[in-house]
Amino acid sequence: GAVVSQHPSWVICKSGTSVKIECRSLDFQATTMFWYRQFPKQSLMLMATSNEGSKATYEQGVEKDKFLINHASLTLSTLTVTSAHPEDSSFYICSAGGRTSGRGEQFFGPGTRLTVL
Amino acid sequence: QKEVEQDPGPLSVPEGAIVSLNCTYSNSAFQYFMWYRQYSRKGPELLMYTYSSGNKEDGRFTAQVDKSSKYISLFIRDSQPSDSATYLCAMSARGNNRLAFGKGNQVVVIP
Repeated sequence: GAVVSQHPSWVICKSGTSVKIECRSLDFQATTMFWYRQFPKQSLMLMATSNEGSKATYEQGVEKDKFLINHASLTLSTLTVTSAHPEDSSFYICSAGGRTSGRGEQFFGPGTRLTVL
Repeated sequence: QKEVEQDPGPLSVPEGAIVSLNCTYSNSAFQYFMWYRQYSRKGPELLMYTYSSGNKEDGRFTAQVDKSSKYISLFIRDSQPSDSATYLCAMSARGNNRLAFGKGNQVVVIP
């Protein structure tokens, strides 16, 4: 399967600061990337879908000004959590689907655990 | 009614047993069906992928899709402690990249 990396794997930050998470598809070009968050013992919640070179599409209830997504190239998407608060603490996972996919498959990164103090 | 239903109840089995997992769904447009395995504190890993109805076998894993019943299954034969993980079903419609997920089943294989 395709390889997707995320960086950092975990981050601890103070309330009010911003945190950037990178998602890279290492061996294929991802025209579409997805950002999820996952709370303990729960399934994945889609936050937004980003297409390379265009604005992200956010799910209902997700604040686009708080969760900034940039998909500047076919191999890199970033999620910036702005003015983070403790309730933003969660496991954030990206996935990539693209030209080698086209059939609904998504390949997930290893996730980033964010803890906001 | 949720698009995808997966009974999230934990499942404990002895090593060597067959693990049987299933999901039901309501959207008849779903064409692509996946099973993901997720270890604790890790991202989901694509385990099985099936297009439309039918069976697919890969080693100890068998995925089945019955579109007429809107029902998919995953079987794990000769289960191993390393199979202990959460298993998520997921599906999507043709031309739609979005995945609809089940809640996930936590499986524990006891040595």
